[in-house]
Amino acid sequence: GEDVEQSLFLSVREGDSSVINCTYTDSSSTYLYWYKQEPGAGLQLLTYIFSNMDMKQDQRLTVLLNKKDKHLSLRIADTQTGDSAIYFCAERYSGGYNKLIFGAGTRLAVHP
Amino acid sequence: DGGITQSPKYLFRKEGQNVTLSCEQNLNHDAMYWYRQDPGQGLRLIYYSQIVNDFQKGDIAEGYSVSREKKESFPLTVTSAQKNPTAFYLCASSMGPSSGRVYEQYFGPGTRLTVT
Repeated sequence: GEDVEQSLFLSVREGDSSVINCTYTDSSSTYLYWYKQEPGAGLQLLTYIFSNMDMKQDQRLTVLLNKKDKHLSLRIADTQTGDSAIYFCAERYSGGYNKLIFGAGTRLAVHP
Repeated sequence: DGGITQSPKYLFRKEGQNVTLSCEQNLNHDAMYWYRQDPGQGLRLIYYSQIVNDFQKGDIAEGYSVSREKKESFPLTVTSAQKNPTAFYLCASSMGPSSGRVYEQYFGPGTRLTVT
């Protein structure tokens, strides 16, 4: 079945780059997404990448997709304390309707 | 401002009582979704609706019910049959499949339900 896996925790120093990794199983996924969740809040869509792309850059965010290894990563440049949150990777289910399969989320802690 | 509202933010109920969570959107989206979030887990799909007056069960529909009488509204009822209802509930919406768009789902702020 479909599955998305992420490491649960990442700690970085303010100003450094953060790299959050994700693996997925559905090779037919057309879209992959990164969402951010701040404490007690809903999910905010950060960015997405279409499966025929290798990379997408959006200001401080860079998404890399290795379709062969089914590996997705999110790089945040110049990480700030405001980036502390849980980051969810999600793949769009290829089975017909707009269902998203989410990973368990990576908690990013940014320290001075 | 366009967006998704969920109310209330916090809800407390006694075991054995049904409770209804509200979700309203003014994004003119056709599709709406309910997810459940438990600590340390990803979101799990409860129900979804692609169009008014139609909805489908997601992965964990047992003990829940929904209705979709209006495009803007997709309320979720947590029934007494739900064995472990305490969780954070998130509503989302997206454009429909026929729109040809990327199918981004936009989320509301969530309702934290505590049942004792």
